[in-house]
Amino acid sequence: EVQLVQSGAEVKKPGESLKISCKGSGYTFADYYIAWVRQMPGKGLEWMGVIRPGDSDTRYSPSFQGQVTISADKSLSTAYLQWTSTKASDTAIYYCARTADNALGIWGQGTLVAVSS
Amino acid sequence: QSALSQPRSVSGSSGQSVTISCTGTTSDVGAYNYVSWYQQHPGKVPRLMIYDVNKRPSGVPDRFSGSKSGNTASLSISGLQTEDEAEYYCCSYVGRYIWVFGGGTKLTVL
Repeated sequence: EVQLVQSGAEVKKPGESLKISCKGSGYTFADYYIAWVRQMPGKGLEWMGVIRPGDSDTRYSPSFQGQVTISADKSLSTAYLQWTSTKASDTAIYYCARTADNALGIWGQGTLVAVSS
Repeated sequence: QSALSQPRSVSGSSGQSVTISCTGTTSDVGAYNYVSWYQQHPGKVPRLMIYDVNKRPSGVPDRFSGSKSGNTASLSISGLQTEDEAEYYCCSYVGRYIWVFGGGTKLTVL
C-alpha cells in the first residue's frame, strides 16, 4: 500500500527551530515529487513547495520562499519541512502529498504545528 | 501567484446537480490542462477527485466531473448525496513545477 506517514504534532515557542517529516512507503520514493501544503486554522489549502527526492530538485511558492526549507533523504524515504525560527503565524496543519499525473493523489495524515508563547 | 477564485459557498438539494467554478488567468488555468479538484470533509485529509481537468482517479464516483473553458475550470456533481457535503478546492499548475490552490468552496446539501 502506498502511503505517507507524517511526524507527530509539535508545540513550539516563537523563535524556536522546527523540522517535521514525511515518510513514504509502498513505492519508489525517489521517483515522485513530494509537495507540502499548509492549512491555517479555519482556512484553505496553500501550496508551499515541492521536492523531487531523487535529486533534491526543490521549488517554492513565492509566498513561502525564504520562509521554510524543504529537503529529503531518499535513503530514508523521507521528506522534511523546516523552520529556523518559528512564528505564531506558522500555526497550522501541514500536509505532505505525493505528486503524480500533475495532482496530489496520496496525502499524509497531516502534522499540527502550534506556535505560542 | 494569486489564489484561484472560487465561490465561497454553493448549495443544492439531494439528488440535484451543482457546479463549482474556479477562475484563474492565462498564466495558470488558461495555460495548462493541469487542473485538479480536492474534497475535504471537516477535520479530514483532502482527497483527490479530479485531475488533468476531467480525469477521475480510481474509486471516485462518476457523479463527479470536471471541465475547463478559457481561464475557468468547473467541477460538477450530479445526483447530490449528503456525503458530498464538504469543502472543495481547485488547484492549477502555473509552471516551473509550482501550483496554486483556489480559496475553497463549501458545498451544502439541503
